[in-house]
Amino acid sequence: LAKTTQPISMDSYEGQEVNITCSHNNIATNDYITWYQQFPSQGPRFIIQGYKTKVTNEVASLFIPADRKSSTLSLPRVSLSDTAVYYCLVGLNTGFQKLVFGTGTRLLVSP
Amino acid sequence: DVKVTQSSRYLVKRTGEKVFLECVQDMDHENMFWYRQDPGLGLRLIYFSYDVKMKEKGDIPEGYSVSREKKERFSLILESASTNQTSMYLCASGKFDRGTYEQYFGPGTRLTVT
Repeated sequence: LAKTTQPISMDSYEGQEVNITCSHNNIATNDYITWYQQFPSQGPRFIIQGYKTKVTNEVASLFIPADRKSSTLSLPRVSLSDTAVYYCLVGLNTGFQKLVFGTGTRLLVSP
Repeated sequence: DVKVTQSSRYLVKRTGEKVFLECVQDMDHENMFWYRQDPGLGLRLIYFSYDVKMKEKGDIPEGYSVSREKKERFSLILESASTNQTSMYLCASGKFDRGTYEQYFGPGTRLTVT
């Protein structure tokens, strides 16, 4: 299973763009990269998933360089409600492989 | 909306008791998962199930068992609860849709074993 490394914490201010980078040097050819968000006292919530280049949805963008050894979750114009823990996961795009949630990145957005 | 519900938000049990944690999903997902979450350790996978009556060990299955008799229900069983099983337990169901695999989590059960 590919291991991921993320910063433990990040601070930002409302309205700023936040970029959280995840390192996954031993990602396998068939692995996808997925990001989840978790608020206190709640289960994680899916944000975005990608395989290569760039993926964008209504809440975030995911940038994946050609070598796929890292990825960056980009949150545009964060608000206080984006304060949460963000997890980067690497694994097959099916339910047939254990996905490993690391300790995540704790993002604190201040006014 | 997908809904994953867990039988209790908070549970207090005594050492040695048999504990059942129930999880129900309403979206006909084949895959279901049990995790525990502890400070500084993130989420760790206990067991998962591909489909009814099928189960696979996760990273920390010791001291736990599971049951999946119906597609919508996945139960986690602590055969003899111990204090080191005090934790937040999270259930999830998963599906593959339009090229994306997504897990949907329940609200969690905070279990305290005394």
